[in-house]
Amino acid sequence: GAVVSQHPSWVICKSGTSVKIECRSLDFQATTMFWYRQFPKQSLMLMATSNEGSKATYEQGVEKDKFLINHASLTLSTLTVTSAHPEDSSFYICSAGEREYEQYFGPGTRLTVT
Amino acid sequence: GQNIDQPTEMTATEGAIVQINCTYQTSGFNGLFWYQQHAGEAPTFLSYNVLDGLEEKGRFSSFLSRSKGYSYLLLKELQMKDSASYLCAVSDSNYQLIWGAGTKLIIKP
Repeated sequence: GAVVSQHPSWVICKSGTSVKIECRSLDFQATTMFWYRQFPKQSLMLMATSNEGSKATYEQGVEKDKFLINHASLTLSTLTVTSAHPEDSSFYICSAGEREYEQYFGPGTRLTVT
Repeated sequence: GQNIDQPTEMTATEGAIVQINCTYQTSGFNGLFWYQQHAGEAPTFLSYNVLDGLEEKGRFSSFLSRSKGYSYLLLKELQMKDSASYLCAVSDSNYQLIWGAGTKLIIKP
């Protein structure tokens, strides 16, 4: 099956700094990638849809100036959490798929803001 | 609004069979997914149903009834490693995934 990777797998940063998370489709091209956030004991929440070569589409309530998404190529999307705060601490997961009905998830990135 | 319902938690015995139900109300339908998520890990794909009926894949089967807005995931010959959360998600008219809150499955020896 298709493989999606994320880097880093976990990161600790200080409040006020920025963190960049990478999502890569290793053996297929993905024009669309999705970014999710998951707080402990809660379901996945879609943050934004990342489209190659165009602006991301953000879900209601997600600050686009705080969560910067760049889909520079067909195999790479990045999520940058700017001016991170402790409440941004969460599990961030990306997904991508070759076809609409197949979504493969990256292993996730656990962000802890101190 | 869009809504997906599944039980919060279920308990079953090793070697037994368990059925996890999912009901949905969404704007459009382009398929229903089941994912397995172990604690602290990303979800992994289990099944996809877009037509009515039963899809069998090893110990796992998934059923869909579009007219009833209903699906279930059937797990047979339960193993301890099946202890996880099982997430139901529906692809709506825009191919966006709408997620259920997940069902935590506890397997007892």
